[in-house]
Amino acid sequence: EDQVTQSPEALRLQEGESSSLNCSYTVSGLRGLFWYRQDPGKGPEFLFTLYSAGEEKEKERLKATLTKKESFLHITAPKPEDSATYLCAVKVDRDDKIIFGKGTRLHILP
Amino acid sequence: DAGVTQSPTHLIKTRGQHVTLRCSPISGHKSVSWYQQVLGQGPQFIFQYYEKEERGRGNFPDRFSARQFPNYSSELNVNALLLGDSALYLCASSIGQRLYNYGYTFGSGTRLTVV
Repeated sequence: EDQVTQSPEALRLQEGESSSLNCSYTVSGLRGLFWYRQDPGKGPEFLFTLYSAGEEKEKERLKATLTKKESFLHITAPKPEDSATYLCAVKVDRDDKIIFGKGTRLHILP
Repeated sequence: DAGVTQSPTHLIKTRGQHVTLRCSPISGHKSVSWYQQVLGQGPQFIFQYYEKEERGRGNFPDRFSARQFPNYSSELNVNALLLGDSALYLCASSIGQRLYNYGYTFGSGTRLTVV
């Protein structure tokens, strides 16, 4: 069964303290891996799409990387406004749906 | 530019009732998908529609149905509501059917509470 697992479930960091969020996946025929940011009561906001192992993408303080079994979302020198839930999702070969993980709740303390 | 708009934003219904949720995609987007997000979980796929035809269905009971109109807007209908249907219902639109070529843009969702 296709599965996406995110860790940790929750993470508290001091402002400026860099860290990484993990997304591991077990799927057949990965067509794309997506990272979204979700603020409370809002819909997910698209951040990145990664298609193949070794690919990296950056946006401001965020950098996403992809291997054959997992993806990392690195956050460098985070600010309080980076506090949100970060969702990882995968698109598999045979379906038009995407499968989401449960997310990592990130809280940046000032 | 208007993003994906969903209505209503909040809704309270009684068990056994029926509900209709509405979604207007971004102008020019022909694909609409519906997701259910229970508190503390990631979104779960319900349906995808492209060019007014159902192109995908998730593991949800037949009480859930949807349709897409000629202007590409969409409705999600849920019959015989259960307490467990309480969730944030998200609509997402994209230009094309094949997700890996295009991004998904989500609306802010409809918060459904069943009492």
